[in-house]
Amino acid sequence: QQQVKQSPQSLIVQKGGISIINCAYENTAFDYFPWYQQFPGKGPALLIAIRPDVSEKKEGRFTISFNKSAKQFSLHIMDSQPGDSATYFCAATPSGSARQLTFGSGTQLTVLP
Amino acid sequence: GAGVSQTPSNKVTEKGKYVELRCDPISGHTALYWYRQSLGQGPEFLIYFQGTGAADDSGLPNDRFFAVRPEGSVSTLKIQRTERGDSAVYLCASSPGTGSVEQYFGPGTRLTVT
Repeated sequence: QQQVKQSPQSLIVQKGGISIINCAYENTAFDYFPWYQQFPGKGPALLIAIRPDVSEKKEGRFTISFNKSAKQFSLHIMDSQPGDSATYFCAATPSGSARQLTFGSGTQLTVLP
Repeated sequence: GAGVSQTPSNKVTEKGKYVELRCDPISGHTALYWYRQSLGQGPEFLIYFQGTGAADDSGLPNDRFFAVRPEGSVSTLKIQRTERGDSAVYLCASSPGTGSVEQYFGPGTRLTVT
């Protein structure tokens, strides 16, 4: 019930291409969906987040698409750059005071120069 | 301003020993979280503090794990009788508090139990 499933496990994209990472969830109590970027040896960094009352959110080259009925959301990275090479995690948190994050298993993105 | 800091950055200990991991949250953040990240996995929730009290410790794997936040700022995660399976990166995150959902992570402490 708490699981967030993420795919693909790894992704290789050419510079300038579009990177797409998908996540699906089961718990309908989730109401906040952030994406984190993590470089080796560093902690996860908040990239962009969305709430289920909107279907899309864009910040620069990063866009989240959200499908509430399908319980799916995805991250699109436009004009991918070698500096975007990192591990990306989707996450979700339920409504309420605790707000603990449930993370996906991660996608290792490599952007080739 | 300063982000979340964690010390030590690396800790190697022998099986059966006791360890303490420290987290300094962002100044003014009232909510603090501990997560554990095993190699190749996403972080897993351990415990959540709102102020000084542990509001949710449902993620602690067993009673060898304990965390405190006595003054509502710095937190210490304590692990007794460490086991090799405890080897992981322990991450701390802080959040402004009630009504705010964004969590900001520290760099983590890599714990290795030999």
